[in-house]
Amino acid sequence: KAGVTQTPRYLIKTRGQQVTLSCSPISGHRSVSWYQQTPGQGLQFLFEYFSETQRNKGNFPGRFSGRQFSNSRSEMNVSTLELGDSALYLCASSSPGQEAYEQYFGPGTRLTVT
Amino acid sequence: AQSVTQLDSQVPVFEEAPVELRCNYSSSVSVYLFWYVQYPNQGLQLLLKYLSGSTLVKGINGFEAEFNKSQTSFHLRKPSVHISDTAEYFCAVSPGNQGGKLIFGQGTELSVKP
Repeated sequence: KAGVTQTPRYLIKTRGQQVTLSCSPISGHRSVSWYQQTPGQGLQFLFEYFSETQRNKGNFPGRFSGRQFSNSRSEMNVSTLELGDSALYLCASSSPGQEAYEQYFGPGTRLTVT
Repeated sequence: AQSVTQLDSQVPVFEEAPVELRCNYSSSVSVYLFWYVQYPNQGLQLLLKYLSGSTLVKGINGFEAEFNKSQTSFHLRKPSVHISDTAEYFCAVSPGNQGGKLIFGQGTELSVKP
């Protein structure tokens, strides 16, 4: 079974621009969560989508948004990029059930904002 | 609110020596507990998890962890480490009532020396 895939793997953007990152979950997984990883703040939860609905949200500004499609693929968007948005963005998929909340992570998208 | 504290930011150890990586959590609700490992430039890989039942859980690569409810701890151990265990290790909790949301500790960098 293929793992979680994220595209692109690396991205360089300029302050003020917007960016869209994509995540394809493991086949059959309906929940996708997004995390931001930085050296200073560590791993922080952004949001979770389940069946095309946002189920949980972390403490990030409204510039960070996401969505999920009917095939469970998810995108996250960051508008008006700031230097502090430079980070590794990880998505994880899970299949709520007996193995509830066991999340499988993708390799991440490394975003650099200049 | 839930939080996770990893008591050591860096743990240097010699090859074939035992190691313990410490994790404490705080939560007012039941939680699920996880340890993840991250190798350089990669995503997170699940080492082991505690959902319920036996407090001693065994994971991949010879790692094990013990859940101690009274001390709110979930320390990770390995009796004999290898050079290939050099990586960053993250302890995480998933509040039982918040779906696919993981709260991570700040990470422990394990460095195995020959």
